[in-house]
Amino acid sequence: EPEVTQTPSHQVTQMGQEVILRCVPISNHLYFYWYRQILGQKVEFLVSFYNNEISEKSEIFDDQFSVERPDGSNFTLKIRSTKLEDSAMYFCASRADRDHYGYTFGSGTRLTVV
Amino acid sequence: QKEVEQNSGPLSVPEGAIASLNCTYSDRVSQSFFWYRQYSGKSPELIMSIYSNGDKEDGRFTAQLNKASQYVSLLIRDSQPSDSATYLCAVNNNQGGKLIFGQGTELSVKP
Repeated sequence: EPEVTQTPSHQVTQMGQEVILRCVPISNHLYFYWYRQILGQKVEFLVSFYNNEISEKSEIFDDQFSVERPDGSNFTLKIRSTKLEDSAMYFCASRADRDHYGYTFGSGTRLTVV
Repeated sequence: QKEVEQNSGPLSVPEGAIASLNCTYSDRVSQSFFWYRQYSGKSPELIMSIYSNGDKEDGRFTAQLNKASQYVSLLIRDSQPSDSATYLCAVNNNQGGKLIFGQGTELSVKP
């Protein structure tokens, strides 16, 4: 079964450093998302991406965050200057088309900011 | 604030019983409804989607939707210990596909 692949599975970074979280969505999917889940809390929407541009973003997705689909297969989330409160699981997700809203989530990247 | 509410549990049922999980949502224009299962430390896994009022069955799982009451439920028949997980209700209300998740209900199935 096709999978959404995320790397790394765990990243530890120092506060103030930049991190890039990587995702390879399912190949024929058109819509891409990033979510995060702080330990013990809800899964929260960050951003959606379609046709090479952001289609929606949440209040969490401020100027410190950016997304990119540099080569038609990878989908990245960059955090420019990490804060302690950015520590969370980050999930990438993708879906095929407008009529199928059920996402496939990747296995996640656990980001720990120290 | 558009919210999705679930009882956090834990909900404990004996093996073989029916587990009933409930979810309410606040945005009346919500269009699509999902149940995800999440094991500890893992990513959410889609188990059911439902788009119209009524029941939808898939194996041991039945999703029920009542848009008038803004209520979604998930029934798990013949519960197994492997069903022990947190069940997340998620709602979509726009074409962009953004999902709003509830807090999740922790289910424990005792052998």
